[in-house]
Amino acid sequence: EVQLVEAGGGLVQPGRSLRVSCVASGFTFDDYGMHWVRQAPGKGLEWVSGMSWNGGKVDYADSVKGRFTMSRDNAKNSLYLQMNSLTVEDTALYYCAKGTDPGETTILYAFDVWGQGTMVTVSS
Amino acid sequence: SYELTQPPSVSVSPGQTARITCSGDALPKQYAFWYQQKPGQAPVLMIYEDSVRPSGIPERFSGSPSGTTVTLTISGVQSEDEADYYCQSADSSGSHVVFGGGTRLTVL
Repeated sequence: EVQLVEAGGGLVQPGRSLRVSCVASGFTFDDYGMHWVRQAPGKGLEWVSGMSWNGGKVDYADSVKGRFTMSRDNAKNSLYLQMNSLTVEDTALYYCAKGTDPGETTILYAFDVWGQGTMVTVSS
Repeated sequence: SYELTQPPSVSVSPGQTARITCSGDALPKQYAFWYQQKPGQAPVLMIYEDSVRPSGIPERFSGSPSGTTVTLTISGVQSEDEADYYCQSADSSGSHVVFGGGTRLTVL
């Protein structure tokens, strides 16, 4: 079964850091680009970051650029999102999503598998 | 920054046809995708590459592009189709992925 399982969410104070992770199973992890997407409570989907199969191409939303760092460890079938200088606006459910291509080109392809998300709450 | 525009809500009676539009300047250059999200659940891919339906998605769901607008059509709407629908695409450089604001489909 193709599966993505996120972990690492929790309550963190503004200005602090947190790292969330995603473990993949059921597919060849290093064949595909991967993404992080977040959803604030009661709000819509917001793409956060995307990375190619080998980490050679990584992109960020303007709202997190310079504060968040995405990485992957293909040997561990794992994806990470290091979040620094967190603000209350970063409070959201963070989803890990699988792309349907290696993620190296300028053409976007679909996200066909999503995890259930890990909740990050930024509050004092 | 690049944006995709969707209507906030669409309402239809069971058996009718629902159409949800999504507009964006780069849609002629980038594929569009549609996701369905029900309360408390992760999004599910419904249409990819403008008009292709993944396996397991009912035939009543279809997508069609037309210039800077793409449309998700649900023919013969059923009560189980009540959900939020999001379009997704990217800017022309492919470096920024964007979701539309979402459309709440209500089945009357």
